[in-house]
Amino acid sequence: SSELTQDPAVSVALGQTVRITCQGDSLRYYYASWCQQKPGQAPVLVIYDKNNRPSGIPDRFSGSSSGNTASLTITGAQAEDEADYYCNSRDNSGNHLVFGGGTKLTVL
Amino acid sequence: QVQLQESGPGLVKPSETLSLTCTVSGGSISTYYWSWIRQPPGKGLEWIGFIYHSGFTNYNPSLKSRVTISVDTSKSQFSLKLSSVTPADTALYYCARTPRSGSYIDFWGQGTLVTVSS
Repeated sequence: SSELTQDPAVSVALGQTVRITCQGDSLRYYYASWCQQKPGQAPVLVIYDKNNRPSGIPDRFSGSSSGNTASLTITGAQAEDEADYYCNSRDNSGNHLVFGGGTKLTVL
Repeated sequence: QVQLQESGPGLVKPSETLSLTCTVSGGSISTYYWSWIRQPPGKGLEWIGFIYHSGFTNYNPSLKSRVTISVDTSKSQFSLKLSSVTPADTALYYCARTPRSGSYIDFWGQGTLVTVSS
């Protein structure tokens, strides 16, 4: 079982704002990062170290964190944002990487 | 732009050892951690372990007894061996890069499907 917990599914109307959350004790001490995975494709990093965007990632993607919860916010969701989103960080020991179970985002 | 490419058998028999290699191009294998991650069909991502260019390794505790990751810096390659496989090890296996100071994956390979079946 994952030490990071995500809601299995979230939906958002086109153009609206959606927040995807990730909970875990280790998030009090280590940054969360987020990757996006579309069907049949490898994951792509969208946010790293809480709120940094790699080159080429639209600025509608942002990250935040409070206590044991990290969040990925998409402001003005687009149809192409429909995908699975995974948070990742370190586990409680700090020695291992861990992924959340993933959230399937549907854009209505 | 760094690129990672997995290679190895797509079919492994139960109880045998799964072996995969990842070739890194377009960048140095030094100063990064190199991970193996897997994804069973229709399921989420699972970190298997990583290796530093020096050979330092760290493995997922749930797989540690069966996993060996090695690196060949002269060939810009790192490899995964997973022993005593069962059908539960059937998955898409990805190789990936983690910056030394981070906990995230910044580059992924395309993944290779490994099926465990007799």
